[in-house]
Amino acid sequence: KQEVTQIPAALSVPEGENLVLNCSFTDSAIYNLQWFRQDPGKGLTSLLLIQSSQREQTSGRLNASLDKSSGRSTLYIAASQPGDSATYLCAVEDNDMRFGAGTRLTVKP
Amino acid sequence: SAVISQKPSRDICQRGTSLTIQCQVDSQVTMMFWYRQQPGQSLTLIATANQGSEATYESGFVIDKFPISRPNLTFSTLTVSNMSPEDSSIYLCSARPGGNEQFFGPGTRLTVL
Repeated sequence: KQEVTQIPAALSVPEGENLVLNCSFTDSAIYNLQWFRQDPGKGLTSLLLIQSSQREQTSGRLNASLDKSSGRSTLYIAASQPGDSATYLCAVEDNDMRFGAGTRLTVKP
Repeated sequence: SAVISQKPSRDICQRGTSLTIQCQVDSQVTMMFWYRQQPGQSLTLIATANQGSEATYESGFVIDKFPISRPNLTFSTLTVSNMSPEDSSIYLCSARPGGNEQFFGPGTRLTVL
């Protein structure tokens, strides 16, 4: 059964810093991996989707990479801002969609 | 992309009652998904709802407790029946309007007293 792990569970950084969030999964036979953002008490906002044949996707200050063979993905956030404060979830899809527990990011002004 | 709305956004209910959550997608979709997110936890899939057929439930979830309707290609409801405080969660619906990218509604925050 696929297991998805996100490290760290929480991260606090000063504004302007570049940061990396990590996601690992146990079964490399995935169709795709998706990164989401969740604000407190809210739904999920899709950030980036990486197909299994792709190695990375970029959107603005966000860059997500995928290394299927090692079962890892990273979400890179450049020049972080207080508005980036949220929980970031990764989800992998094989026959089902499995979510990690998330990384709670706080960007301090 | 897709715009997904849910009603109600939140509710406080008494033990033993039922609540029906509505989910509307702004485009036709084959499958809709219902998730539960318990406090401090990640998302757990409850069931997948296909239009015109019975919903498919994940292990640990049963139709009597979480009946689902899917009357057309843009709408679904999830009922949380005979509620207990353990059902206090955020309930989220999602869909894939095209391709593999999954979109979520804003969630329904349920508190059971």
